[in-house]
Amino acid sequence: AQSVTQLGSHVSVSEGALVLLRCNYSSSVPPYLFWYVQYPNQGLQLLLKYTSAATLVKGINGFEAEFKKSETSFHLTKPSAHMSDAAEYFCAVRILMDSSYKLIFGSGTRLLVRP
Amino acid sequence: DADVTQTPRNRITKTGKRIMLECSQTKGHDRMYWYRQDPGLGLRLIYYSFDVKDINKGEISDGYSVSRQAQAKFSLSLESAIPNQTALYFCATSDLQGAGTDTQYFGPGTRLTVL
Repeated sequence: AQSVTQLGSHVSVSEGALVLLRCNYSSSVPPYLFWYVQYPNQGLQLLLKYTSAATLVKGINGFEAEFKKSETSFHLTKPSAHMSDAAEYFCAVRILMDSSYKLIFGSGTRLLVRP
Repeated sequence: DADVTQTPRNRITKTGKRIMLECSQTKGHDRMYWYRQDPGLGLRLIYYSFDVKDINKGEISDGYSVSRQAQAKFSLSLESAIPNQTALYFCATSDLQGAGTDTQYFGPGTRLTVL
């Protein structure tokens, strides 16, 4: 079965420090992978997506993610955290179910940025 | 104006009551989705619709029903609300033309509390 696992329900970093949010996927076919961000009291917003082109994907707000097939990973990084990055982040994989594509979301990682 | 709107944004109701959550979109997308979000579980798909004549059950459809009144409107109903349906509910849309990448656009959410 295709699925997504996010390691760490909470991650805390200092402002200016590296952000690393982990996502591992399980898929029997080449996956399409996504990272979404949810700011407090808002809906989900697409950060970036991997669709089998370049393995290093750049997104909005300075985030990027690298697709590593050998590790079945799609970790999200940002070199220097800002206070405004505090939010919940969701990794998702596209699956084929009942003859149509759907998204399966991970359980989310809440990022806390300390001053 | 927001592309995907949800009403109400917050609702408190009692066990056994019928509740309807509404979603409207101005993106012109064919596909619409309803998800629920619970802490630690990420987002789970309740129902989805690929056009006004197409309604499909998602992962957790029991206790819910939907209506696609028009391309732009997709409503979620709880016929007899129960406390474990307390959650944050999101509507999302995607473009059939963009189905290959399944970029979904989310509304701001409805926080439902069933007492």
